[in-house]
Order: sequence, then C-alpha cells, then structure tokens
Amino acid sequence: EVQLVESGGGLVQPGRSMKLSCAASGFTFSNYGMAWVRQAPTKGLEWVATISYDGSSTYYRDSVKGRFTISRDNAKSTLYLQMNSLRSEDTATYYCTRGTMGDYWGQGVMVTVSS
Amino acid sequence: DIQMTQSPSFLSASVGDRVTINCKASQNINRYLNWYQQKLGEAPKLLIYNANSLQTGIPSRFSGSGSGTDFTLTISSLQPEDVATYFCLQHNSWPNTFGAGTKLELK
Repeated sequence: EVQLVESGGGLVQPGRSMKLSCAASGFTFSNYGMAWVRQAPTKGLEWVATISYDGSSTYYRDSVKGRFTISRDNAKSTLYLQMNSLRSEDTATYYCTRGTMGDYWGQGVMVTVSS
Repeated sequence: DIQMTQSPSFLSASVGDRVTINCKASQNINRYLNWYQQKLGEAPKLLIYNANSLQTGIPSRFSGSGSGTDFTLTISSLQPEDVATYFCLQHNSWPNTFGAGTKLELK
C-alpha cells in the first residue's frame, strides 16, 4: 500500500524558515518524481514544486522560487521542502504527492505563518 | 500559466442523479487532465487521469471525457458517499494548475 506521511509543520513567524518532510513507503521511491501541493484555508489547490525521480531536475511556481527548495533522499525514501523567508500567504496545508500528476497524496501538514 | 475554469462551483443533486462537472483550459492541454475528489478533512483522491482513464479502485460510476480544452467528469448515478469537492488538474505544462473546485451536496 502506498503511504506518504508528512511532518514538520506548525506555527512560524514571517521571515523565518521551516522544513517539511514526507516519508514514503509501499513503492519504489527512487522510480518516481515527487511534488508538493498546498491548499490555503478555504481556498483551492496550488502546485508548489516538483522534483524528478533522481533529484536532477526541479521546478517551482513563481511565488516560491528562490525561497523554497525541494529535495529528496532516495536512500531514506524521503521528500523534503525547505521553506525560507516565509510569508503569511504561505499559510496552507502542504501535501506531498507522488509523480508529476499526483496519483497518491499524503494527509497533509499545516503550516501557519503568523507573528 | 494555464487557467482552468471549472463549473459549476456548487452543485446540489439527488441520490441516483447523473452529475456532470466541467473544466475548460485556457489553451490546449491535449488529454493531460486529472479529476480528484476531496472529502472534508481528507487529502484529494485521484479519480480519473489523462482525461478518461479510471484510477484503480475507483467505482465505474465515475467517468471522464474530453480533450484539448474542454473536459467533463460524470457521475452516472450519485451515491451519498460522493458528497465532496471535485477538482480538475492540468499536467500538460508547468506549473500544473487546478480548477477552483465544485462542491457537490445532496439535495
């Protein structure tokens, strides 16, 4: 069974940093691209970043480019999202998802950016 | 970015009804369109990928159609457990973009 479990969320002040993790199991992690998608409270979904199966290619939406870094450790079957210079508009539930089209999703982790 | 216009934003229907939800892309996305179901407090679940392919384990009352810019999700006979918000996603070109969602409730 494919499982994706996010961790690392919480309350953070504007301008500070936070790192999210996503532990994957039930499939060969190193065979799949992975992505982070977020959903602000009562809002729609927004694709944040994608990483290729081997980590050689990454893509970011414009609003997070230069502030967020997606990475992976295939030996640990874990996906990461390093978020720097956080803003109030980054407040959202962050989901880890498999592949470039999101066939499986984690339960999500809440990130609240507020002073 | 490709804009995805989803309609309607809200839908009320009865058990057994045929329900259709539409997504229109601002440019050609071929068949790179997925449909997701999100129940309250849960993660989205993939229903349909690449416009008309049913994801494993999804009931056959769900179907998808379309190509190019116009796409439709159909629920052939609405069940109580189908109450949820439905989203479309284009994955033809970066960044992937979602429709705004359709909230489906029982009448």
